[in-house]
Amino acid sequence: GENVEQHPSTLSVQEGDSAVIKCTYSDSASNYFPWYKQELGKGPQLIIDIRSNVGEKKDQRIAVTLNKTAKHFSLHITETQPEDSAVYFCAASLSGGSQGNLIFGKGTKLSVKP
Amino acid sequence: KAGVTQTPRYLIKTRGQQVTLSCSPISGHRSVSWYQQTPGQGLQFLFEYFSETQRNKGNFPGRFSGRQFSNSRSEMNVSTLELGDSALYLCASGQGEAGELFFGEGSRLTVL
Repeated sequence: GENVEQHPSTLSVQEGDSAVIKCTYSDSASNYFPWYKQELGKGPQLIIDIRSNVGEKKDQRIAVTLNKTAKHFSLHITETQPEDSAVYFCAASLSGGSQGNLIFGKGTKLSVKP
Repeated sequence: KAGVTQTPRYLIKTRGQQVTLSCSPISGHRSVSWYQQTPGQGLQFLFEYFSETQRNKGNFPGRFSGRQFSNSRSEMNVSTLELGDSALYLCASGQGEAGELFFGEGSRLTVL
């Protein structure tokens, strides 16, 4: 089955710096890659997603890139702010996101220091 | 629009007991998925229901089961609880088409 590896497990940056989180997946048939942010005591919330027919997607300070050949995708956060501090999860899906069976990475705890 | 509601938020059980968790999806959503979140294993997919039918199932033992009602509300049940079942159980709902999954805040289960 699908396996998603996520690195690093913890990341500390200064406010205003950029943060990059990387994930690799094992099943080349995976075609939907969302990123979730989880704040303490809350459920994960979708922040951006990308499908396999797209190489890059951007939404304000957040961008995701996908390399299907290498089977890896990355989350880029620019101009980080203290409120970006949270745990971030990448995920992969074989069903284009139409079904709720996501395979998640283990998460990255991002700390943004003021 | 109300979000995904999970009850109870916290509960404590002892080994061997069983537990039922409830999830009310966002109005209009027909897909409900369940995930187990632990510090060691992260977020693991349990199962997904769509229009009262189990559509996908993760790699969990048969002690974990679920169902979905005609109003899309879902329940999951864990029988013969083990210490390792202590976790945050998250429910997520979606429209069943390509799109966002919306998560609830979870039910935190502690097994003593």
